[in-house]
Amino acid sequence: AQSVSQHNHHVILSEAASLELGCNYSYGGTVNLFWYVQYPGQHLQLLLKYFSGDPLVKGIKGFEAEFIKSKFSFNLRKPSVQWSDTAEYFCAAANSWGKLQFGAGTQVVVTP
Amino acid sequence: GAVVSQHPSRVICKSGTSVKIECRSLDFQATTMFWYRQFPKKSLMLMATSNEGSKATYEQGVEKDKFLINHASLTLSTLTVTSAHPEDSSFYICSVHTGTGSTDTQYFGPGTRLTVL
Repeated sequence: AQSVSQHNHHVILSEAASLELGCNYSYGGTVNLFWYVQYPGQHLQLLLKYFSGDPLVKGIKGFEAEFIKSKFSFNLRKPSVQWSDTAEYFCAAANSWGKLQFGAGTQVVVTP
Repeated sequence: GAVVSQHPSRVICKSGTSVKIECRSLDFQATTMFWYRQFPKKSLMLMATSNEGSKATYEQGVEKDKFLINHASLTLSTLTVTSAHPEDSSFYICSVHTGTGSTDTQYFGPGTRLTVL
């Protein structure tokens, strides 16, 4: 069965710390991978996506993610977080039909 | 990207009544929209795929007679929760699907908070 799992449900860190959120997927065939962010009171926004090519994908706001096919992983990283990065982060996968399956989400709290 | 609106943003209704939620694509003609449900502190669950001019495709376990979807135009899809019950209380989110392959993207609406008393 297709699934997306996120390792951490809740992460608390200080400003300037580095962030890495784990995501693993279980999909047969072609899979497209996404990271979405939901800031408090706002709608989901796309951070970055991977379809093919360079496995290191750079997104908005200084985020990047690395696709490691052998590990079925697509981890999200940011070298130095800011207070404004406090949000919920969702990893998602889609097959060629575009139907997204989301992970459970990770609540990230950045303290000043 | 596409701008997506939902109306209402928040609705409270009595048990047994029906509630209609609108999802509009303001600047993009969308042949495909998706409807999701988000439970508190949980992820989004895909409910159905809304196809313009044809019947919606429902995910396993989602009652199509309970959650009626109409995608009558390229800019509007509606979700009607019929005979709502307290367990239907949730956050409902729609998205507009654009592109194919490497341009495949979804743009999400702000969501509708439904509370059934």
